[in-house]
Amino acid sequence: QAVLTQPSSLSASPGASASLTCTLRSGINVGIYRIYWYQQKPGSPPQYLLRYKSDSDKQQGSGVPSRFSGSKDVSANAGILLISGLQSEDEADYYCMIWHSSTSSYVFGTGTKVTVL
Amino acid sequence: EVQLVESGGGLVQPGGSLRLSCAASGFTFSNSDMNWVRQAPGKGLEWVSYISSSSYTIYYADSVRGRFTISRDNAKNSLYLQMNSLRAEDTAVYYCATDFGTNWGQGTLVTVSS
Repeated sequence: QAVLTQPSSLSASPGASASLTCTLRSGINVGIYRIYWYQQKPGSPPQYLLRYKSDSDKQQGSGVPSRFSGSKDVSANAGILLISGLQSEDEADYYCMIWHSSTSSYVFGTGTKVTVL
Repeated sequence: EVQLVESGGGLVQPGGSLRLSCAASGFTFSNSDMNWVRQAPGKGLEWVSYISSSSYTIYYADSVRGRFTISRDNAKNSLYLQMNSLRAEDTAVYYCATDFGTNWGQGTLVTVSS
């Protein structure tokens, strides 16, 4: 089982909201981690969107629109990236990441491909 | 403006070696922890290695430990990745990135094939 699992794809209409989940493997408590989110468009490197641990410990990437926001679903042991007011330019792959302290390694999620229909 | 420019990629035979470089500018490189991250064709992101600003702390992914060596030269604002005993599964675009991935280079393609 992957450390961080993301749905492989998600489709939504322009103007709608999209909630991307990043589920941590059982035994890894989402509450203690900062979750980092990245957007990657075809042929380009990833771009940092934001990080979220709590409402008092969060950071928006430079120039990243406020319609991208982070949260957590503790009951589901998951980090969430919410994209409000979807635009065609939001079509991309999205990755989450954590610093996994117990293994001294960064771990990326499996990635979600977002399609704006 | 932060700039990270990777170089050194190319085609190499299995078992061969390659040294990647990353030239940094637009920020205080000597104060910045750095990483190498790779992406195999059509696949997701995989963290490869981390080095602290002073080179005191270094970490590797299990998949490359013992074969790859990360290093830096703060006087030259440069990050390196020495890759030995290369395998087909090391084929990927290699990105250098500032800590926590706040900035990324454009990447350099490494192809391991006979």
